[in-house]
Amino acid sequence: GEDVEQSLFLSVREGDSSVINCTYTDSSSTYLYWYKQEPGAGLQLLTYIFSNMDMKQDQRLTVLLNKKDKHLSLRIADTQTGDSAIYFCAESSRGSQGNLIFGKGTKLSVKP
Amino acid sequence: DSGVTQTPKHLITATGQRVTLRCSPRSGDLSVYWYQQSLDQGLQFLIQYYNGEERAKGNILERFSAQQFPDLHSELNLSSLELGDSALYFCASSVAPGLGQPQHFGDGTRLSIL
Repeated sequence: GEDVEQSLFLSVREGDSSVINCTYTDSSSTYLYWYKQEPGAGLQLLTYIFSNMDMKQDQRLTVLLNKKDKHLSLRIADTQTGDSAIYFCAESSRGSQGNLIFGKGTKLSVKP
Repeated sequence: DSGVTQTPKHLITATGQRVTLRCSPRSGDLSVYWYQQSLDQGLQFLIQYYNGEERAKGNILERFSAQQFPDLHSELNLSSLELGDSALYFCASSVAPGLGQPQHFGDGTRLSIL
């Protein structure tokens, strides 16, 4: 079945780049998403990538997809304290009928 | 602001009770999804509706049911509540179902069972 794995914690210094990694198992995955959840808030859609793409850039965010290894990463350039949150990777595939399968989330802590 | 509205924000009730959670999708979105977020299970898909019809079911208990009304708002009904039902319940919406349709989430309803 489908499964999405993420490391649970990441700590960086303000101004550095953050790289959050994710692996997925469903080979029919066609869309992969990154969501951000701040304390007490809902899930904010950050970006998503279609599986025939290798990379997508949106301002400070860069998504890299290695389809062969089923590995997805989210790079945040010039990380700020306001980026501290939990970041969720999610996949959408024919197997999940387009519904989202989420990882457990990576808690990003940004130290000043 | 995602445009998805969920009410109430918080619900506190007792075991055995029944509650109704409400969701209004973004303007123009026809699909509504319900997800449950708990500490042990993480974020899990419960059920999906499209234009009033149930389209897909995930890990939804038989004690739970949902519907989407003609005005496209949706309600999730939870009955015979147990302590383990305490969780954050999210509603999401998209223009249409299927792949490549980004889902936008509300702020959730936090359900606490005492």
